[in-house]
Amino acid sequence: DGGITQSPKYLFRKEGQNVTLSCEQNLNHDAMYWYRQDPGQGLRLIYYSQIVNDFQKGDIAEGYSVSREKKESFPLTVTSAQKNPTAFYLCATKGQGAGETQYFGPGTRLLVL
Amino acid sequence: EDKVVQSPLSLVVHEGDTVTLNCSYEVTNFRSLLWYKQEKKAPTFLFMLTSSGIEKKSGRLSSILDKKELFSILNITATQTGDSAIYLCAFMINTGNQFYFGTGTSLTVIP
Repeated sequence: DGGITQSPKYLFRKEGQNVTLSCEQNLNHDAMYWYRQDPGQGLRLIYYSQIVNDFQKGDIAEGYSVSREKKESFPLTVTSAQKNPTAFYLCATKGQGAGETQYFGPGTRLLVL
Repeated sequence: EDKVVQSPLSLVVHEGDTVTLNCSYEVTNFRSLLWYKQEKKAPTFLFMLTSSGIEKKSGRLSSILDKKELFSILNITATQTGDSAIYLCAFMINTGNQFYFGTGTSLTVIP
């Protein structure tokens, strides 16, 4: 997980509540990503950002929102519109150039009460 | 629609066995294929493959890409219990900034 931190490690959400997952990196990478992982479904892309103040929706963006105000930070908000938020959330970064691979943070496990 | 298919979905072997994991893909703007190992937390990078027919090796692990038949294999020889993990295959498209993941193969190595 190198220079990528995610917090909290576990998060509990009540019905109708918005929660925010933190992702911070000190790798000086431009691109940052949020993935959701459910059992048997691999990683699915929620949002990604290639530069500050810009981000694009991934395959499953509904019920989520992001911001990218600083290069180091890419927080993900799980809104009450996301009806099945229980999953493992992974943040990743990528440096410049096609030869650079993705590096992942340790993940946040979100559970609905 | 771009997609990645991994097989088998799960596999149980005994220590010392050799395993082959498969990844096939259908991609319109393929740039490279990546393999990751995921234990309990974040995936860790294993290999990036861009050219056909060139094997990449790291200890007991090796991987090769066939761009004509659109698949890759990951071999693990003399498996150990520490190899137990989910192995993820992903491809990167030509923009260089988007990745698409398969569902993974869950490998369990029994002592």
